[in-house]
Amino acid sequence: AQSVTQLDSQVPVFEEAPVELRCNYSSSVSVYLFWYVQYPNQGLQLLLKYLSGSTLVKGINGFEAEFNKSQTSFHLRKPSVHISDTAEYFCAVSEGGSGGGADGLTFGKGTHLIIQP
Amino acid sequence: DAGVTQSPTHLIKTRGQQVTLRCSPKSGHDTVSWYQQALGQGPQFIFQYYEEEERQRGNFPDRFSGHQFPNYSSELNVNALLLGDSALYLCASSLSLAGGRLYNEQFFGPGTRLTVL
Repeated sequence: AQSVTQLDSQVPVFEEAPVELRCNYSSSVSVYLFWYVQYPNQGLQLLLKYLSGSTLVKGINGFEAEFNKSQTSFHLRKPSVHISDTAEYFCAVSEGGSGGGADGLTFGKGTHLIIQP
Repeated sequence: DAGVTQSPTHLIKTRGQQVTLRCSPKSGHDTVSWYQQALGQGPQFIFQYYEEEERQRGNFPDRFSGHQFPNYSSELNVNALLLGDSALYLCASSLSLAGGRLYNEQFFGPGTRLTVL
């Protein structure tokens, strides 16, 4: 079984400062990894995904994440945040490999990113 | 191009009642997944439908059932509602892995907010 741990439930950061949201996963098989963002009263939007290849993944809105297999981590980073980045961020995992991409996603509990002016 | 749509937006039921939630997938998608998101938590995978059959199921009781229609739209039914069923129910659609795709990105709808009193 897979699991995802988001270590911080809430992260306050000043506008234009860098931010890192932490995510660790547990799985006995290869995995695909994802970061989603949820704005108030909306569904989830995919920020970026790691399927294979380069461990540094770039996504939308200036976000990037690095897959670290030895540390089973997939931390999300942005060099300079804006007020509009205030939202809930979810890390998710699904089983990788042939046919695994059709699996349902296992999500972490989320990290609320609060941007302070 | 309409994205994933869900109805109704909000719903209030009492304990013991039954509820049906509806989802129309993104145009061209043939796979529908359902998730339950309790307040302050990450989404939890309920089940996935493909070719009108349940293909995968998460750790949810049999009170939760679903259906997929020939036009790929889907319903989620919950019987004998409990207070703990109060949550945001998210539908996600995707295109199956036929054709050799590595992963089928899931596109989420805005959700249905269910309150059980």
